[in-house]
Amino acid sequence: ETGVTQSPTHLIKTRGQQVTLRCSSQSGHNTVSWYQQALGQGPQFIFQYYREEENGRGNFPPRFSGLQFPNYSSELNVNALELDDSALYLCASSSPGARETQYFGPGTRLLVL
Amino acid sequence: TQLLEQSPQFLSIQEGENLTVYCNSSSVFSSLQWYRQEPGEGPVLLVTVVTGGEVKKLKRLTFQFGDARKDSSLHITAAQPGDTGLYLCAGEDSIMKTSYDKVIFGPGTSLSVIP
Repeated sequence: ETGVTQSPTHLIKTRGQQVTLRCSSQSGHNTVSWYQQALGQGPQFIFQYYREEENGRGNFPPRFSGLQFPNYSSELNVNALELDDSALYLCASSSPGARETQYFGPGTRLLVL
Repeated sequence: TQLLEQSPQFLSIQEGENLTVYCNSSSVFSSLQWYRQEPGEGPVLLVTVVTGGEVKKLKRLTFQFGDARKDSSLHITAAQPGDTGLYLCAGEDSIMKTSYDKVIFGPGTSLSVIP
């Protein structure tokens, strides 16, 4: 069974640029959630995708958007990057019937200069 | 607004000591989870508690969910260097829950166990 993978592992961007982060969910999982974890803080929920549809959203502006593909992999896109977007971005997948059990990937560390 | 608080924020102890970390909220949670996160990794689920007053044990770790389902504690007996990491609690907010499962994380307790 393959775990959750994310790419890239690290990324450096400048203010105003756009970034796309990728996540492959664990085999058999059709739900993917994205989180932002700033240094010294717990993860904050960005949004969740279920069967290719956005299934809920946290308190993040519209410049944070996402996609889920038929194979349940997912992308997080952030436009017009700001310095405060510097964080660890985590994706987590879960399976039907086990909503509480999320399996996290190792994250993508984004630095905005 | 931070709905979950964790204490202490940092904890450094010697190998073999016991410790307790706390997770508190003014909100009622339908379930609460504890995760451990190591540097450069994503959080790994340790346990889920659902029933008020529930106690779960995982080897040297004991988790308790408060009777009112607003707080939880994690007790580690005879801590080892391998226990080092960021301990996060996360609750499923039963009041704010909409059509999806929104999991709210606390800020974490950073534990360092010194050999």
